[in-house]
Amino acid sequence: AQSVTQLGSHVSVSEGALVLLRCNYSSSVPPYLFWYVQYPNQGLQLLLKYTTGATLVKGINGFEAEFKKSETSFHLTKPSAHMSDAAEYFCAVSAGGATNKLIFGTGTLLAVQP
Amino acid sequence: NAGVTQTPKFRVLKTGQSMTLLCAQDMNHEYMYWYRQDPGMGLRLIHYSVGEGTTAKGEVPDGYNVSRLKKQNFLLGLESAAPSQTSVYFCASSYSVDTQYFGPGTRLTVL
Repeated sequence: AQSVTQLGSHVSVSEGALVLLRCNYSSSVPPYLFWYVQYPNQGLQLLLKYTTGATLVKGINGFEAEFKKSETSFHLTKPSAHMSDAAEYFCAVSAGGATNKLIFGTGTLLAVQP
Repeated sequence: NAGVTQTPKFRVLKTGQSMTLLCAQDMNHEYMYWYRQDPGMGLRLIHYSVGEGTTAKGEVPDGYNVSRLKKQNFLLGLESAAPSQTSVYFCASSYSVDTQYFGPGTRLTVL
């Protein structure tokens, strides 16, 4: 069975600082991994995804994540935080197959201080 | 392309009332999903469908029913609403084993 753990329900950074949001997963099959962002009172928007191939994936708004199989991690980073990055971020894992069901982490709320 | 749309955006029900949430997608996606989002719990899958006329239970299906009579629509029904069903409901769709696209959500309050 698949599961996702996001360390830190709240993360606060200063504008211009490095953003690091942690995600560890558990999967019995090669995982597909996703990061979604949710701005206040909106739906979820895909930031980036890993399916196969290159383990460092780049997404929108300057975010990137690295799939590390040995560490079962898929941490999200951005070199320099912007005020507009303040949102909730969700990591998710899918085992693919016939259903494409996603298992979500509990989310990390990112605050960016001026 | 409107993407994934949800109707209504907000609703307040009394305990025991029924209602239907409508999800529509114009991307010709085969797969559709209903999730609920509660504080500190992320998103949990209620029901899903892998094609027109098919439905299946997700992680938290109790108290909900669904129907997929047309490929573009996925309905979520609450037959007898309970306060525990107060939540934000999200619909999503996907073409296959790939990215799920989410609607804007329906905020439901059950008094």
